[in-house]
Amino acid sequence: QPVLTQPPSSSASPGESARLTCSLSSDINVRAYNIYWYQQKPGGPPRYLLYYYSDSDYGQGSGVPSRFSGSKDASANAAILLISGLQTEDEADYYCSLWPSNALALFGGGTTLTVL
Amino acid sequence: EVDVVESGGTWVQPGGSLRLSCAPSGFTFSSYSMNWVRQAPGKGLEWVSYISSEGGSTYYADSVQGRFIISRDNAENTLFLQMNNLRSEDTALYFCARGYKYSPFEYWGQGTRVTVSS
Repeated sequence: QPVLTQPPSSSASPGESARLTCSLSSDINVRAYNIYWYQQKPGGPPRYLLYYYSDSDYGQGSGVPSRFSGSKDASANAAILLISGLQTEDEADYYCSLWPSNALALFGGGTTLTVL
Repeated sequence: EVDVVESGGTWVQPGGSLRLSCAPSGFTFSSYSMNWVRQAPGKGLEWVSYISSEGGSTYYADSVQGRFIISRDNAENTLFLQMNNLRSEDTALYFCARGYKYSPFEYWGQGTRVTVSS
């Protein structure tokens, strides 16, 4: 069974950048998938942020600032969410997701980002 | 504007059944695949089930396979999740969300809470 692994927590200061990783298990290759990223603030539903497949195939969710961007590290078999110019309002849980098959969707365990 | 409203969650004893509903608006419901995603208290997101736009294809997470049934009524713009033989580990906030393999879970409601406890 494929697994997506995210570090439980991360922190950065306002104005800095945060790099959140999503590591894929060895049975799935990051190169092959659209990676979706979601933001969830306490007490609220998840919000779709963006998807990333390649540098020529990616997309931003409606109203999502360009400070949020995605990438992949194929050598590490990982997806990355980069948040630049951190703001206190970016403090939230972040989840990666993909469909490793037509019949299964996966979420990572989520990373709690603290902006302090 | 898109709005998604889930309902039907409540407290139920282990072994019991429950039917959740989801009523999206603001898009052509019958044209889109839909999903249920849940979140146990203090935990992360877990995909539960998928149904194609016409209802002909359905998929389930291993954790609910054989106990839950997803369905939809396109005439009434409503998505359902029939939950049978409920277990304590099914306790969660249940969201419905539009999406499939090449499109994100783009629209989410506030969720409906299911508590399975004796």
